[in-house]
Amino acid sequence: GQSLEQPSEVTAVEGAIVQINCTYQTSGFYGLSWYQQHDGGAPTFLSYNALDGLEETGRFSSFLSRSDSYGYLLLQELQMKDSASYFCAVRDRNFNKFYFGSGTKLNVKP
Amino acid sequence: DGGITQSPKYLFRKEGQNVTLSCEQNLNHDAMYWYRQDPGQGLRLIYYSQIVNDFQKGDIAEGYSVSREKKESFPLTVTSAQKNPTAFYLCASSSPVEGSNQPQHFGDGTRLSIL
Repeated sequence: GQSLEQPSEVTAVEGAIVQINCTYQTSGFYGLSWYQQHDGGAPTFLSYNALDGLEETGRFSSFLSRSDSYGYLLLQELQMKDSASYFCAVRDRNFNKFYFGSGTKLNVKP
Repeated sequence: DGGITQSPKYLFRKEGQNVTLSCEQNLNHDAMYWYRQDPGQGLRLIYYSQIVNDFQKGDIAEGYSVSREKKESFPLTVTSAQKNPTAFYLCASSSPVEGSNQPQHFGDGTRLSIL
């Protein structure tokens, strides 16, 4: 089976940097993805890591260490609009299924 | 623009009633998925389909049914057997596994409540 662990809530101030961690247990997967979901909205794709290392997309970066079954999402220059829930997800190698963590609610304060 | 359309946005169910949530995509994706999200929680997989006329149960399939008669459409029926249907339902689609960096694309969701 698959399981993903992430903190339930993180609070940071505008302009700061925040890191959201995700640890996973999986029997085989294609990579780690991150999604953003604002209250009442649909999840939107942020980034994907198939290989170890850092992927950067603007203010957002994502990191993966497959040997440690660990990844994180790094948000820089936080803005109020970044207040949302962030989910890590793995794609099952065998069945084309996605498994999501329970989400981290990010609160950005002025 | 390509995307996923879910309807209705809000739905109310009476006791003993079956209701059907619509999901249509024009992304030409083979795989489609239904998730349930409860307040403050993550996404739980109800059913998924990798190809037309085929679908598999997810982690919480009891009380739900689906069909996949067309590539573009993957409707979800919430039956009267589902005793706690109040939740936010999300439909998603994705490309085949060979393009494994392809993310899931989500519809805007249907919020179902009991009358």
